Amino acid sequence: QKEVEQNSGPLSVPEGAIASLNCTYSDRGSQSFFWYRQYSGKSPELIMFIYSNGDKEDGRFTAQLNKASQYVSLLIRDSQPSDSATYLCAVGRYSTLTFGKGTMLLVSP
Amino acid sequence: EAGVAQSPRYKIIEKRQSVAFWCNPISGHATLYWYQQILGQGPKLLIQFQNNGVVDDSQLPKDRFSAERLKGVDSTLKIQPAKLEDSAVYLCASSLEAQGSGYTFGSGTRLTVV
Repeated sequence: QKEVEQNSGPLSVPEGAIASLNCTYSDRGSQSFFWYRQYSGKSPELIMFIYSNGDKEDGRFTAQLNKASQYVSLLIRDSQPSDSATYLCAVGRYSTLTFGKGTMLLVSP
Repeated sequence: EAGVAQSPRYKIIEKRQSVAFWCNPISGHATLYWYQQILGQGPKLLIQFQNNGVVDDSQLPKDRFSAERLKGVDSTLKIQPAKLEDSAVYLCASSLEAQGSGYTFGSGTRLTVV
């Protein structure tokens, strides 16, 4: 049974701070790793993906992957109230993604 | 590029009734997925199609759920008969290649079974 674990939160940060979201996965054969953002009542939208160990930066977002520890994280710099949403970690093997339950992020002005 | 289209957006039915959802993926996307997302949980894969063939339906409750993708484009997901625990958002997603850079989700169908 492939599992993707996330702390459900909420994670509360003040505006301008760095938000750190974490995810662990059980399948060592996992090949690709994704972060989706989901606003309440909306469908998930892709923020970032990462395939190799290390960091990948895109604007205010940085994804970090450590395959040895089976750990992936998302850092959001200069957090804005508009970043308040649920962040879903998804782990891929072949053509299928397995999602975690998501972490709710609340950014207060 | 048009996104993944789903209909209806909302559906309320009584338990033991049947319901069907429709999905039209992004043009040219060979892979189509149906996910079920229960409130407070992450999406759970129900079925994956590659063109019009089933790749993975291991988590589809086949005694009540069925899905088809005729001609490798549109897809329908049916529930018959519905149970209270089927209340969820049903998300359709498509991708150009196997995983690649991730899926694009449709807006979903929110099903309430009463």
